[in-house]
Amino acid sequence: SQQGEEDPQALSIQEGENATMNCSYKTSINNLQWYRQNSGRGLVHLILIRSNEREKHSGRLRVTLDTSKKSSSLLITASRAADTASYFCATVISGNTGKLIFGQGTTLQVKP
Amino acid sequence: DTGVSQNPRHKITKRGQNVTFRCDPISEHNRLYWYRQTLGQGPEFLTYFQNEAQLEKSRLLSDRFSAERPKGSFSTLEIQRTEQGDSAMYLCASSPHGQGGQPQHFGDGTRLSIL
Repeated sequence: SQQGEEDPQALSIQEGENATMNCSYKTSINNLQWYRQNSGRGLVHLILIRSNEREKHSGRLRVTLDTSKKSSSLLITASRAADTASYFCATVISGNTGKLIFGQGTTLQVKP
Repeated sequence: DTGVSQNPRHKITKRGQNVTFRCDPISEHNRLYWYRQTLGQGPEFLTYFQNEAQLEKSRLLSDRFSAERPKGSFSTLEIQRTEQGDSAMYLCASSPHGQGGQPQHFGDGTRLSIL
């Protein structure tokens, strides 16, 4: 079974706009990670945020984590057509082996 | 940069046949994971190795599935007596050992289609 739920399931925006994706999870975590997947390809790691962190930035990406609400958000600013992909949040449960438990993903389409 | 390599990329087989997939992780990574992904879903954990030891298996991994990592380098995932429900993308990932879970590097997967 999957840990998280992502919202929205699909998002379509114009190039230059910002995209926000949300993720909720059920159990205590060690860290939460976001991955991108282009069609027919493997997943690419974007950013990792630990349970004691509240916000993290990487380039045009901003991730927040609220452990009291068991939720996270990924913001992509100034989106580009090349950002078109599926985005997944994945949690590493406290005390675990490091296996990732994924949400169902958000499909982002950025129109040029 | 030699990333995670998976072979074959695509496998089409008849129901009831056995299939084997191979994963070559990043050389210095001692952790190796297998996941399965069906259309429109996120990947689901199957099993995990640290070096050559298989340390965890999901309940999804029925007795028809077996995975090995004999020398702590490459890994194989075998499915015996394949069923329609085995059709999926099988993803391999590797990571270095580290406290609390490290980012994982994924291969491009093997897409299995059962006729």
